[in-house]
Amino acid sequence: DTEVTQTPKHLVMGMTNKKSLKCEQHMGHRAMYWYKQKAKKPPELMFVYSYEKLSINESVPSRFSPECPNSSLLNLHLHALQPEDSALYLCASSQVPGQGYEQYFGPGTRLTVT
Amino acid sequence: AQRVTQPEKLLSVFKGAPVELKCNYSYSGSPELFWYVQYSRQRLQLLLRHISRESIKGFTADLNKGETSFHLKKPFAQEEDSAMYYCALTSKTSYDKVIFGPGTSLSVIP
Repeated sequence: DTEVTQTPKHLVMGMTNKKSLKCEQHMGHRAMYWYKQKAKKPPELMFVYSYEKLSINESVPSRFSPECPNSSLLNLHLHALQPEDSALYLCASSQVPGQGYEQYFGPGTRLTVT
Repeated sequence: AQRVTQPEKLLSVFKGAPVELKCNYSYSGSPELFWYVQYSRQRLQLLLRHISRESIKGFTADLNKGETSFHLKKPFAQEEDSAMYYCALTSKTSYDKVIFGPGTSLSVIP
C-alpha cells in the first residue's frame, strides 16, 4: 500500500461539536504531518510527529489536538472550532524524520464549520 | 529567514510552447528542494526533487545555488499540465519542516 488515506472526505460540524479526523499510512513512514490548506493557498504546517512523538506544533490553537496512537495512524481531534477553521486538512507522511525526504499527501478532509 | 518565493501567481501558455515556473529561495544551510503539483480534484503529489535529477512528465528543474533558484521547465507544454505548482524547501536540519512557496497556477491553452 503506497497511499496515505484520510477519513472522512467531508465533514460539517457546528461550533460546539467534537469530531476527529483520521489519517493512515502503511508505508512504514516514521514522520507524519497535519496541514491546513485554504483555497488557492499553499499548505500551512500545523503539527509534525517523528517516531510517534510530537516534534513540531506551529502554535496551533488548542481546539486542535493531534494524536499519534501508533506508527501508521494519526488523528486530529477537533473541539469548539470557529468558522475560520473551515479548510482542507491534509495529512502527509515521509520516510524518515530529519532526513529531508519528500512527503506523501492524503486526499484531505474538507471541513466546514457552521 | 527561510523563504520560498514564486513570483507568478498565474501563468498561461499555449499548448506546445515552452514553460518555465520560477522558484527562488532563501536558506542559510543546505536545502532540499522539491516541486509538488496539485491537479484539479487530486491530491498534492511530488513532481520532482533536486537530488534525483530526473525528468518527470517532461519537466526538469536545476538547483542553482548561486542564484538560489530552482526553476521548473518543460520544453513543450501539454493541456494535462494545467495545475497548481508549489515549490518547497526542507533540509536535514529543519526538523522536518517543509516550507511551501505560494504556488503558481499554470493554465495550458489548447
